[in-house]
Amino acid sequence: GAVVSQHPSWVICKSGTSVKIECRSLDFQATTMFWYRQFPKQSLMLMATSNEGSKATYEQGVEKDKFLINHASLTLSTLTVTSAHPEDSSFYICSARPRLSSAYSYEQYFGPGTRLTVT
Amino acid sequence: AQTVTQSQPEMSVQEAETVTLSCTYDTSESDYYLFWYKQPPSRQMILVIRQEAYKQQNATENRFSVNFQKAAKSFSLKISDSQLGDAAMYFCAYSYTGTASKLTFGTGTRLQVTL
Repeated sequence: GAVVSQHPSWVICKSGTSVKIECRSLDFQATTMFWYRQFPKQSLMLMATSNEGSKATYEQGVEKDKFLINHASLTLSTLTVTSAHPEDSSFYICSARPRLSSAYSYEQYFGPGTRLTVT
Repeated sequence: AQTVTQSQPEMSVQEAETVTLSCTYDTSESDYYLFWYKQPPSRQMILVIRQEAYKQQNATENRFSVNFQKAAKSFSLKISDSQLGDAAMYFCAYSYTGTASKLTFGTGTRLQVTL
């Protein structure tokens, strides 16, 4: 149980275009989803927190207009990188936290990640 | 603000031996959760073990166990009978309780397992 999928796993786009990454919780409802960015050999950097049906909360320094996050349902969140540039190239990881209950205790379940390359 | 510190950038262990990864954290909260996540070369983050701060008993999951010292704010991971598949980056993470909580990660420890 607690499987999170992410699509696509790898994408190459041209500078100036937009790319959308999907994150789905497959076997549980996720009231909260998170988006991270990870540079090589570094830890995960939280970009934003999204709650179903409400606006995402962005971490300091993350451009809201560049990284659009939509959490339209309890199983789907999307990250759109708008007007991508080479410096946006990175590994993006989503995670989902199950609806809080006695069975779950604030852990997050992670998608396999998306490698974005902007040329 | 909460911080998580992993002071060992790299560790090495021989197959079948035991290794301990260190983690310390700083928080003013009394109720929180601690986690160890594993990130193998595939880069898929995998939850290894969790610890609730209000529980004095150390969590165990098969070959993985923790030494949770709340007063010292220490949360180390012990891997027994190490296997080649244990080679990965290990991240210690903290989460306070509450609907707005999020994970704070340490910088990670790269574990190598040798024959």
